[in-house]
Amino acid sequence: GIQVEQSPPDLILQEGANSTLRCNFSDSVNNLQWFHQNPWGQLINLFYIPSGTKQNGRLSATTVATERYSLLYISSSQTTDSGVYFCAVDTSGTYKYIFGTGTRLKVLA
Amino acid sequence: EPEVTQTPSHQVTQMGQEVILRCVPISNHLYFYWYRQILGQKVEFLVSFYNNEISEKSEIFDDQFSVERPDGSNFTLKIRSTKLEDSAMYFCARSTPLAGGSDTQYFGPGTRLTVL
Repeated sequence: GIQVEQSPPDLILQEGANSTLRCNFSDSVNNLQWFHQNPWGQLINLFYIPSGTKQNGRLSATTVATERYSLLYISSSQTTDSGVYFCAVDTSGTYKYIFGTGTRLKVLA
Repeated sequence: EPEVTQTPSHQVTQMGQEVILRCVPISNHLYFYWYRQILGQKVEFLVSFYNNEISEKSEIFDDQFSVERPDGSNFTLKIRSTKLEDSAMYFCARSTPLAGGSDTQYFGPGTRLTVL
């Protein structure tokens, strides 16, 4: 099956810093989403981005489908950005999302 | 975006007991999913449900699991005889795939299941 790997596994930032999270996948994908899991365990949709670039406030994402990776950019990080960031992919159009291993982010005040 | 609600938020049960987890969609969506997340691990797909039938299931979704939408509204996951390793957060998700296959899934807040 498809492998979805995220890097780095852990990241500690000072408030105000920028960061880039990476998601590599081993096969072509039909769908790709980025999620933020907050400290209460909720999975919050950030982006649906099987290809191209999108921006939402301080967050943006880019997926290069031909090279099988996606990047999530966080600018001017805030303590509320802390949590785990997951990418999830669907390779077969069956709407079965395979999640990556996640990047655990901690933003320090 | 309208999401789904899940009940209960936390369920504690004894090993061997049956549990039913519920998912209540706010909107009238056709596709529903169950995922689980063992503490500290990644989220894993269990089953997808479309038009009142299982569309796809993972190897985790064995005979002790079942899903149904008994009243056309609530979407339930039943675990017949719980084991210690069933302790996890269970997420319900919904989507409305578009023509061409694009699909954004929205997750509920989860039910934390603790098996003692």
